[in-house]
Amino acid sequence: GNSVTQMEGPVTLSEEAFLTINCTYTATGYPSLFWYVQYPGEGLQLLLKATKADDKGSNKGFEATYRKETTSFHLEKGSVQVSDSAVYFCALSRGGYSTLTFGKGTMLLVSP
Amino acid sequence: EPEVTQTPSHQVTQMGQEVILRCVPISNHLYFYWYRQILGQKVEFLVSFYNNEISEKSEIFDDQFSVERPDGSNFTLKIRSTKLEDSAMYFCASSGASGDNTQYFGPGTRLTVL
Repeated sequence: GNSVTQMEGPVTLSEEAFLTINCTYTATGYPSLFWYVQYPGEGLQLLLKATKADDKGSNKGFEATYRKETTSFHLEKGSVQVSDSAVYFCALSRGGYSTLTFGKGTMLLVSP
Repeated sequence: EPEVTQTPSHQVTQMGQEVILRCVPISNHLYFYWYRQILGQKVEFLVSFYNNEISEKSEIFDDQFSVERPDGSNFTLKIRSTKLEDSAMYFCASSGASGDNTQYFGPGTRLTVL
């Protein structure tokens, strides 16, 4: 079946540091890939997505590239801010309006 | 900007009681979902709903669970007889406007079963 594996957290960084959160997936066919973010006390917000191999999703300085050869969708940001502190979830969908399969989430803590 | 809303934000109930969690999806969306997240665990799919019927459900979604769209705006999840292990954050999501299949999530309802 489908599954998503994310690196364990928390990831603790200083402001302006470079961020990578690893995400790999197992799926049949060509899934769509997503990163969602959950700020403290809030719901899940879509951060970015990619729907086919080699697509790059980007938003708010975050980027992730759909790598089919390595079945990965790692999240990166060049310079994190304190306000980026949140839990980040990698997820996949088989396509269309099918369900999302989530990773466990990775907590990011950014200190000033 | 349109958003998915959920009520209540926190529900405390006794084991064996019925609870109804409510969601108002984004108004022109056609697909509706419930997910849950037990503390410290993954977000798990429960059920999807389209055209007034369940389109997919997980093995978690047993006979104790039901969903309904009682009017043109609300989407509800009912748990008939709650168990301790039903304690979780429950998220509603919707999708399906103009070919965009992105799922938009509500803020969640935290259910605590005592």
